[in-house]
Amino acid sequence: LAKTTQPISMDSYEGQEVNITCSHNNIATNDYITWYQQFPSQGPRFIIQGYKTKVTNEVASLFIPADRKSSTLSLPRVSLSDTAVYYCLVGISNFGNEKLTFGTGTRLTIIP
Amino acid sequence: DADVTQTPRNRITKTGKRIMLECSQTKGHDRMYWYRQDPGLGLRLIYYSFDVKDINKGEISDGYSVSRQAQAKFSLSLESAIPNQTALYFCATRGSSGEETQYFGPGTRLLVL
Repeated sequence: LAKTTQPISMDSYEGQEVNITCSHNNIATNDYITWYQQFPSQGPRFIIQGYKTKVTNEVASLFIPADRKSSTLSLPRVSLSDTAVYYCLVGISNFGNEKLTFGTGTRLTIIP
Repeated sequence: DADVTQTPRNRITKTGKRIMLECSQTKGHDRMYWYRQDPGLGLRLIYYSFDVKDINKGEISDGYSVSRQAQAKFSLSLESAIPNQTALYFCATRGSSGEETQYFGPGTRLLVL
């Protein structure tokens, strides 16, 4: 299983860009990298997913270097509502061999 | 996500009691999962199912059992609840392609006294 390592917590001011990095040194060739957001007392919610290089959607960007041993979630111009726990997930589900692994998450606090 | 519902949302039970947590989904996904979340430990996989005839143990299946009654329903049972099973339980669903994301239910908060 690909183990992930993230910072336990981060603080940032409103309006700033926030980058959260996840290390996954033993990522497998077929593994995707997925980031989830979780608010208190709610289930995790999908943010973005990528395999290599850069992926961008309406809420975030995901940067993945060529060796794929790490990835960086970038949240542009954060607001107070971005305060949440962010999980990096690495793996791929093959029939009969579920390999998805959640890390411990990064608690992001946005300061007014 | 309203497409994945869990019942009950909160439950208090006593040690030794049998309890069932239910999950239903309207996304038409084949794959369903049960996770447990404890403070500071992220989410840990209990059981998963890839279709009605398929049940697989996850990382922490001891003390739990599951039933996949239909494509849309996946139940988690604690045959004899114990206090260290106090946690937040999440059901999730996923499509058939390996790169598709998981959709989580709102969670069930279980307290075992």
